[in-house]
Amino acid sequence: QQQVKQSPQSLIVQKGGISIINCAYENTAFDYFPWYQQFPGKGPALLIAIRPDVSEKKEGRFTISFNKSAKQFSLHIMDSQPGDSATYFCAASWGKLQFGAGTQVVVTP
Amino acid sequence: GAVVSQHPSWVICKSGTSVKIECRSLDFQATTMFWYRQFPKQSLMLMATSNEGSKATYEQGVEKDKFLINHASLTLSTLTVTSAHPEDSSFYICSARVPNQSTDTQYFGPGTRLTVL
Repeated sequence: QQQVKQSPQSLIVQKGGISIINCAYENTAFDYFPWYQQFPGKGPALLIAIRPDVSEKKEGRFTISFNKSAKQFSLHIMDSQPGDSATYFCAASWGKLQFGAGTQVVVTP
Repeated sequence: GAVVSQHPSWVICKSGTSVKIECRSLDFQATTMFWYRQFPKQSLMLMATSNEGSKATYEQGVEKDKFLINHASLTLSTLTVTSAHPEDSSFYICSARVPNQSTDTQYFGPGTRLTVL
């Protein structure tokens, strides 16, 4: 069963807009929450990650918001660019990574 | 970030043959590597955890006799798909855990596309 639930399955955003992807988990043992970006035919690339003792982390245009009580976390991509068009996976770990189903993001010019 | 390589990047083989895929950590030593499988338009599914110098730990439902994993050194893990069949066709991706970190930071290889005819 999917231990990490990710939504939406896909989204289309205009250049310059904000892309928001949400994930939810049940297992409170998870202690590390990374986001990966994957282009077709390539391996996932680590984008940004957060630990549960932090509520927000920002790196450039990418921000993770983390709500421990709700067991939810999200990725915000600010000023989305066509080069951001990719599939994004959230994950949660307590020794092994559990991936969400993925979100295909398309940024239109 | 750390660099992980895989070889080959793609391979086509006949049904019944065996295929070996290599995963290397290029700029760090990885005591733990992981092997994933990804079908088109789907997420990554963990197949097994590979620990240097010991037997791999397989996830439920993964046939250990079919997917042989060897982690003979701190920078190399191999996955051998034995007696491959068309249903084994998939995208195989390895990752390596960065040592001495308080988080489970894993860096992924570029993947190997396996097509079994």
